Amino acid sequence: QLQLQESGPGLVKPSETLSLTCTVSGGSIGSSSYYWGWIRQPPGKGLEWIGSIYYSASTYYNPSLKSRVTISVDTSMNQFSLKLTSVTAADTAVYYCARQFPKVLTARYHFDYWGQGALVTVSS
Amino acid sequence: DIQMTQSPSSVSASVGDSVTITCRASQDIGSWLAWFQQKSGRAPKLLIYGSSGLQSGVPSRFSGSGSGTDFTLTISSLQPEDFATYYCQQADSFPITFGQGTRLEI
Repeated sequence: QLQLQESGPGLVKPSETLSLTCTVSGGSIGSSSYYWGWIRQPPGKGLEWIGSIYYSASTYYNPSLKSRVTISVDTSMNQFSLKLTSVTAADTAVYYCARQFPKVLTARYHFDYWGQGALVTVSS
Repeated sequence: DIQMTQSPSSVSASVGDSVTITCRASQDIGSWLAWFQQKSGRAPKLLIYGSSGLQSGVPSRFSGSGSGTDFTLTISSLQPEDFATYYCQQADSFPITFGQGTRLEI
């Protein structure tokens, strides 16, 4: 059974960089043709896609966050990571990592496995 | 970007009822729509992909339909564990976008 687990600081100061890592177990990032994505959810609000990385390391970002976001993958550690720079209180949210289905004949781009989420608070 | 609009934003129902939630895309997305259920404090759970494909392990009382710009999620014979928030996600192209959510209340 595939499992994803987010890890990283739960508190980040304004203007600093938010860094999170998602560790995947029960499957190999490097040997599959899936995308791996980050989604966030501010307290009491809806879901916002941040970006995704293909196993080959091609990246896709939300245009509203693109200038501040970097997603990378470390196949040797079976992990992928998120960096969000110049954070403000508006970036306070639960951050989820998830596996994203590839584009095939019968399906594409839905998120089928999710981590439990990590709350990141931006505050001084 | 493709905008996703769900309606209603909240709905009240009783155990045993049938409920339909609607999701509208701002442009044609074919059949590339997914539905998620989210319970308080939990990660979203995939219910439906490709507009009508039932994810493994999801009860058959959940069904999805639609194509183009208009989609529906129907939950028949509501169970107590179905009261949650539901989100649609367009899966046609990047950037990925979600609907704003529909809260299903008792």
